[in-house]
Amino acid sequence: QVQLVESGGGVVQPGRSLRLSCAASGFTFSRRGMHWVRQAPGKGLEWVAVTSHDGDNTGYADSVKGRFTISRDNSKNTVYLQMNSLRAEDTAVYYCAKERDSDYDEGIFDYWGQGTLVTVSS
Amino acid sequence: DIQMTQSPSSLSASVGDRVTITCRASQRIGTYLNWYQQKPGKAPNLLVSGASNLQSGVPSRFSGSGSGTDFTLIIGSLQREDFATYYCQQSYSIPNTFGQGTKLGIK
Repeated sequence: QVQLVESGGGVVQPGRSLRLSCAASGFTFSRRGMHWVRQAPGKGLEWVAVTSHDGDNTGYADSVKGRFTISRDNSKNTVYLQMNSLRAEDTAVYYCAKERDSDYDEGIFDYWGQGTLVTVSS
Repeated sequence: DIQMTQSPSSLSASVGDRVTITCRASQRIGTYLNWYQQKPGKAPNLLVSGASNLQSGVPSRFSGSGSGTDFTLIIGSLQREDFATYYCQQSYSIPNTFGQGTKLGIK
């Protein structure tokens, strides 16, 4: 069965960096695009970033562009989110999500991890 | 970026009620519209993709419709387990934006 397990969250001061990881299993990881979606406490869902199946193509929300970098290691079945210059408004639960099985990346998320909480505070 | 606007933001209903949630896109997106259900403390769950395609395992009381800019999620007869927050999301273009959510509570 598909499993996505995020890690790396925690409390970090404004301006510092953090790297999140999402370990995947139960599907052919190297064939699927992967996304990060976040949810601030008590708020709605915000799409953050995407990587294509091979890592050659990426995309970002304007709110994180230039500060966050998504990457993947297909040999480790893991997708990462490097977060630099963190701000208080980046405080959220961060979910990784898998693209639904298809011939191409559709932006439809059929499996999600349990999320990891990032708190940016001094 | 495409903005997604849901209405209402919240509503209260009773078991057995028929409920309608709407989602409007700021530009035409064909049928690149998906619906997710989220319960407190849990990750979202995909209900409907392509505006009207029910995911495997989702009860048939859920249905989706629409195209272009206006979309609807209908729950035909509310069950207790349906009380949750619902989000629409466009997959027409990056960034894949979500609506602000509709919180469905018990009356």
